[in-house]
Amino acid sequence: AQSVTQPDIHITVSEGASLELRCNYSYGATPYLFWYVQSPGQGLQLLLKYFSGDTLVQGIKGFEAEFKRSQSSFNLRKPSVHWSDAAEYFCAVGYNDYKLSFGAGTTVTVRA
Amino acid sequence: SAVISQKPSRDICQRGTSLTIQCQVDSQVTMMFWYRQQPGQSLTLIATANQGSEATYESGFVIDKFPISRPNLTFSTLTVSNMSPEDSSIYLCSVEDPYSYDEKLFFGSGTQLSVL
Repeated sequence: AQSVTQPDIHITVSEGASLELRCNYSYGATPYLFWYVQSPGQGLQLLLKYFSGDTLVQGIKGFEAEFKRSQSSFNLRKPSVHWSDAAEYFCAVGYNDYKLSFGAGTTVTVRA
Repeated sequence: SAVISQKPSRDICQRGTSLTIQCQVDSQVTMMFWYRQQPGQSLTLIATANQGSEATYESGFVIDKFPISRPNLTFSTLTVSNMSPEDSSIYLCSVEDPYSYDEKLFFGSGTQLSVL
C-alpha cells in the first residue's frame, strides 16, 4: 500500500529565508507526485506535480520540487519566503491525477 | 478551472445526529470525491461519486455511515450519520476537471464539523 510521510509537522522560517519541506513516499511504481497548499479557510491549491520527465519541477508562487527516485523523495523548496506563504502544505502521491494519498501536512509559519 | 461551493462551511452537532454536506460545482464533472481531514492527520479519501452509479467507498468507510448522493453532474452530498465525537473533522469535496491543462483535481474549502 502506498504511504506518504512528511517528517516535519511544523516549520518556522523568517521572511526572505529559504524553505524546504520534506516528503518521502512508499509506492509500487513511479507515482504521480504532488504538492498542495492550504491557506486558512481555503481549499487545497495545487503548487506543482510530477509524473515524468525532468525531475526538477517548477510550480506556482516560486516553488519548485525535486523528484529523487533513489531516495523516494519529492522535497519542496522556495528560495525566499514571503509572509503570504504561511499555510499548510501537503505532499500527495497517486496512480493518476485523481485518487491521491496525502501526507499529514507541514504547517509553515513565517516570522517577520 | 472548476469552482466548488461547499456548504455548510462549519457546524457543531450533537452526538447521534446526522449532517448532510453539499457540494456544488460550476461546471459538469464526471468524478467527484469526498475526503476527510482529521485533526493533525492527512486527508483520507472516503469515496468516489460518479453520476448515475453507486459511490465507491475506500477501505474503512461504509455507505451506512457516509451515504452519498450524486443526482447530476454538478452536485453531490455527503451525509455523516449517527455522529460521534470521532467524526469531528474537516470534510472536503473535490472534483476532477480532465480538460484543465495542468491542475486536474480541484477542492472545495471544506466543512469543519465538530461533534459534541
